[in-house]
Amino acid sequence: DAGVTQSPTHLIKTRGQHVTLRCSPISGHKSVSWYQQVLGQGPQFIFQYYEKEERGRGNFPDRFSARQFPNYSSELNVNALLLGDSALYLCASSRRGGAGEKLFFGSGTQLSVL
Amino acid sequence: DQQVKQNSPSLSVQEGRISILNCDYTNSMFDYFLWYKKYPAEGPTFLISISSIKDKNEDGRFTVFLNKSAKHLSLHIVPSQPGDSAVYFCAASAMYGGSQGNLIFGKGTKLSVKP
Repeated sequence: DAGVTQSPTHLIKTRGQHVTLRCSPISGHKSVSWYQQVLGQGPQFIFQYYEKEERGRGNFPDRFSARQFPNYSSELNVNALLLGDSALYLCASSRRGGAGEKLFFGSGTQLSVL
Repeated sequence: DQQVKQNSPSLSVQEGRISILNCDYTNSMFDYFLWYKKYPAEGPTFLISISSIKDKNEDGRFTVFLNKSAKHLSLHIVPSQPGDSAVYFCAASAMYGGSQGNLIFGKGTKLSVKP
């Protein structure tokens, strides 16, 4: 079975631009979460979606938004990019997104904002 | 304010010896704890987890110990192998008080196992 797939793997943008990152969960997984990992830090929670509904949101500005589609894939959108948005963006999926459920991560999208 | 702390940025161990990675947390609402391993250019991979109702969980060479009174957990790897060299993240989640599936991660500990 295919794991969590993310696209693109690398992306370079300039300040003020907009970016869309994509994620396909493992087959049968209905929950998708997004994490941001800045160099030297652990992943930080951005969003969780379950059955196309937002279940949780981390401490990120409104420039960050996401959605989940009927096939359970997901997009993360970031508007008005700042230099500080440069990071590895990780998508993770799980069956139900419940507490303690292990998350399966993709390899991430490395975003560089110049 | 970090709720999950891994105070050792790095750890070097000889092959065949025990690796002990430590993690402290501050939020008493956490009821699940997980360890992930991350190689460069890959996403984190789940290793082992423990519920707050237990104090030990074992899976092959990996054992996680939980001391709730001290708000401390540790991951033991015995025996350590060169392939274990990676960054290890401790993570925690709470069943109540917010997003149930939200994991709070520590900053990670880079383990180097020398042949």
